Amino acid sequence: GAVVSQHPSRVICKSGTSVKIECRSLDFQATTMFWYRQFPKQSLMLMATSNEGSKATYEQGVEKDKFLINHASLTLSTLTVTSAHPEDSSFYICSASAGGGTGELFFGEGSRLTVL
Amino acid sequence: AQSVAQPEDQVNVAEGNPLTVKCTYSVSGNPYLFWYVQYPNRGLQFLLKYITGDNLVKGSYGFEAEFNKSQTSFHLKKPSALVSDSALYFCAVRDGRGGGADGLTFGKGTHLIIQP
Repeated sequence: GAVVSQHPSRVICKSGTSVKIECRSLDFQATTMFWYRQFPKQSLMLMATSNEGSKATYEQGVEKDKFLINHASLTLSTLTVTSAHPEDSSFYICSASAGGGTGELFFGEGSRLTVL
Repeated sequence: AQSVAQPEDQVNVAEGNPLTVKCTYSVSGNPYLFWYVQYPNRGLQFLLKYITGDNLVKGSYGFEAEFNKSQTSFHLKKPSALVSDSALYFCAVRDGRGGGADGLTFGKGTHLIIQP
């Protein structure tokens, strides 16, 4: 199946700093990528939909100035958590759609963010 | 709006016994249904999907799921459980009218514990 690479897998940062997480589709072009947040022992919460070459669409309640998403190419989307605070600590997962209409998503391995 | 319900937080099964993880859904149009598995601190791995056709879908690692339109269910099954099947399982749905560009809606997840 298609491979999505997410980096870094773990990151620890100080409060007030910014952190960038990359999501790459390795063997296919992803016109659409999705960013999810997962709290411990909970389901995935869709944060935003990232479309190549256009602005991301954020879900209700997600601060777009806090979570900056860039999808500059068909194989790369980035999520930047700006001025991170301890409450931003979470597991962030990206996924990518290769299109085709069936909606199957391919997921990255996730990034564990810890803000001290 | 679409939604997914996984009524069980946890399912315990003895190794070698059959297992069932329940899922019901709600969508306006035709459902595209998915099962994913997540191991600790990892991304989601695709197990199987139902788009159209045969109601019984076979997937990875010996898992299968049966689409039941009248009961709006898509239960995950396996004839003989392995200890290595222990993980967190997510059912997901999207409306088939979406054209492939929509994120999935996930259930809250079910912890499957296979006891030796």
